[in-house]
Amino acid sequence: GQNIDQPTEMTATEGAIVQINCTYQTSGFNGLFWYQQHAGEAPTFLSYNVLDGLEEKGRFSSFLSRSKGYSYLLLKELQMKDSASYLCAAMDSNYQLIWGAGTKLIIKP
Amino acid sequence: GAVVSQHPSRVICKSGTSVKIECRSLDFQATTMFWYRQFPKQSLMLMATSNEGSKATYEQGVEKDKFLINHASLTLSTLTVTSAHPEDSSFYICSARGEGKITEAFFGQGTRLTVV
Repeated sequence: GQNIDQPTEMTATEGAIVQINCTYQTSGFNGLFWYQQHAGEAPTFLSYNVLDGLEEKGRFSSFLSRSKGYSYLLLKELQMKDSASYLCAAMDSNYQLIWGAGTKLIIKP
Repeated sequence: GAVVSQHPSRVICKSGTSVKIECRSLDFQATTMFWYRQFPKQSLMLMATSNEGSKATYEQGVEKDKFLINHASLTLSTLTVTSAHPEDSSFYICSARGEGKITEAFFGQGTRLTVV
């Protein structure tokens, strides 16, 4: 079956760095998406990886290893506003998004 | 990025009544729209995939007669929750993808439905 695993919750300190991991198993693969979702709001797009390696976008970077079925989202210089849930989603061979349950990130001062 | 507008953002209705939620793509044509439900602290759960001009494809376990989906144009899809019950209370989110198969999903603002 298809499955996405990511930690339920993580805590980090303002100004620090945090890495949120995601492993996936899908029928075919057309890329890995990361979304940010604040409580009570809809998800917003952060990044898309389809090739192995690291994609950097400001304070946020996303990494993919297709052979390992693994991705991570790296957040640097954490700010209080980064407190949110981070959703990992893999696109399968039918171009459907398979969603993880999300990782709730708590930032402490 | 593209804009998807969802309305209403919050609705409270009485048990047994119906509620309609609208999802519009404002600056692009969305041939396919997706309807999700999200319970607190849980992942997005795909309810149905809506294609313009044709019947929606429902996920297993989702009652098509209870959750009516209409996708009459390339910019509008509606979800009607019929004969709502308290257990239907949830966060409903629509999303649309732009042209091409591999694009990110753009989400509406979500609708918080409370059935009393």
